[in-house]
Amino acid sequence: EAAVTQSPRNKVAVTGGKVTLSCNQTNNHNNMYWYRQDTGHGLRLIHYSYGAGSTEKGDIPDGYKASRPSQENFSLILELATPSQTSVYFCASGGRDRATPLYFGAGTRLSVL
Amino acid sequence: GDSVTQTEGPVTVSESESLIINCTYSATSIAYPNLFWYVRYPGEGLQLLLKVITAGQKGSSRGFEATYNKETTSFHLQKASVQESDSAVYYCALGEAGNTGKLIFGLGTTLQVQP
Repeated sequence: EAAVTQSPRNKVAVTGGKVTLSCNQTNNHNNMYWYRQDTGHGLRLIHYSYGAGSTEKGDIPDGYKASRPSQENFSLILELATPSQTSVYFCASGGRDRATPLYFGAGTRLSVL
Repeated sequence: GDSVTQTEGPVTVSESESLIINCTYSATSIAYPNLFWYVRYPGEGLQLLLKVITAGQKGSSRGFEATYNKETTSFHLQKASVQESDSAVYYCALGEAGNTGKLIFGLGTTLQVQP
């Protein structure tokens, strides 16, 4: 069964520390996405990718970097974590066809203290 | 830009009652966006509930229905008789123009079904 797996599921980080969130998909999808979900904001797109080696800025990219080393893997990197980045992060994969739905991972709950 | 507005939650209904969660959209980048409903059960990621890509068509899944109404720019989610297991967060979303596959989400509506 096609799947999107995120790790870790929960993370506590210190302000100023580096955090890496990982995502792996077995859907063989070209596109991958990182969203964050906050109360009152719904899901907002941080970065996305069209394939290995590609990363694109989403709607709220400041403070985040992304890396897509392979078709299957897409990472979100917080070089200097801040408390405002405390959130739930979702990774998703999808095809290039606009009608193809996105398939989401279970989410990573990040707390920056 | 494109946006989605949906019923503010939480919405509380009793088991076997009917449900409607309103969703309206504004699409400036594309005349006929694809429309989706996603659901997030506790402890899980979002999963697709239903989608409709043609105006005037209805999508259905697990007893839920939604009709793509181009005139009113709406995509309301309905169910005739809810169950306690339907308790979850529901998100309405539209697909942006082009082939980025990006989705614009509403804020989500928390549904609580009381036994």
